[in-house]
Amino acid sequence: GNSVTQMEGPVTLSEEAFLTINCTYTATGYPSLFWYVQYPGEGLQLLLKATKADDKGSNKGFEATYRKETTSFHLEKGSVQVSDSAVYFCALTSPGGSNYKLTFGKGTLLTVNP
Amino acid sequence: NAGVTQTPKFRVLKTGQSMTLLCAQDMNHEYMYWYRQDPGMGLRLIHYSVGEGTTAKGEVPDGYNVSRLKKQNFLLGLESAAPSQTSVYFCASISGGAGKDTQYFGPGTRLTVL
Repeated sequence: GNSVTQMEGPVTLSEEAFLTINCTYTATGYPSLFWYVQYPGEGLQLLLKATKADDKGSNKGFEATYRKETTSFHLEKGSVQVSDSAVYFCALTSPGGSNYKLTFGKGTLLTVNP
Repeated sequence: NAGVTQTPKFRVLKTGQSMTLLCAQDMNHEYMYWYRQDPGMGLRLIHYSVGEGTTAKGEVPDGYNVSRLKKQNFLLGLESAAPSQTSVYFCASISGGAGKDTQYFGPGTRLTVL
């Protein structure tokens, strides 16, 4: 079955530091890959996604590249802000008959200090 | 356009009590999902629906029932609540189809079972 493994947190950074959150996956075929973000007290919202190998998703300064050869989708940001403090979830959905069900990683809590 | 809404936002139950959580979406989405979020576990799929009048089991369906009598609503029921069902519950919906595989989440319902 499908699975997602992401680095466990918590991750604590100072403002303007570089961020990497690792995510690797196991899936059949060519899944779509997602990063969702959950701000305190809120639901999840899509941060970025990629649907095929070598695609790069980007949003709000965050980037992630779909690497089929390493089955990875690592999240990066060059300079984090206090407002980026949140829980980040890597997820995938398999095409063809999966009914778009998402498989999530366990989440990584990021805290950015001023 | 309210997106995905959930009712109630908070609820406290005693063991053995029953309740229904309501999810509503105004985006005319076909697919709807119920997840639970527990610390260190990520999000786990309880039940889902691929269209009005249909429901299917997810990863952790035991102790829950669902109904999708109207396309815009997806109800999650607990017939006899147990402390193990203390969690945050999220509803999500998706249009489906090519390029329409992003799930939209509600704000969540925090349920405590004493």
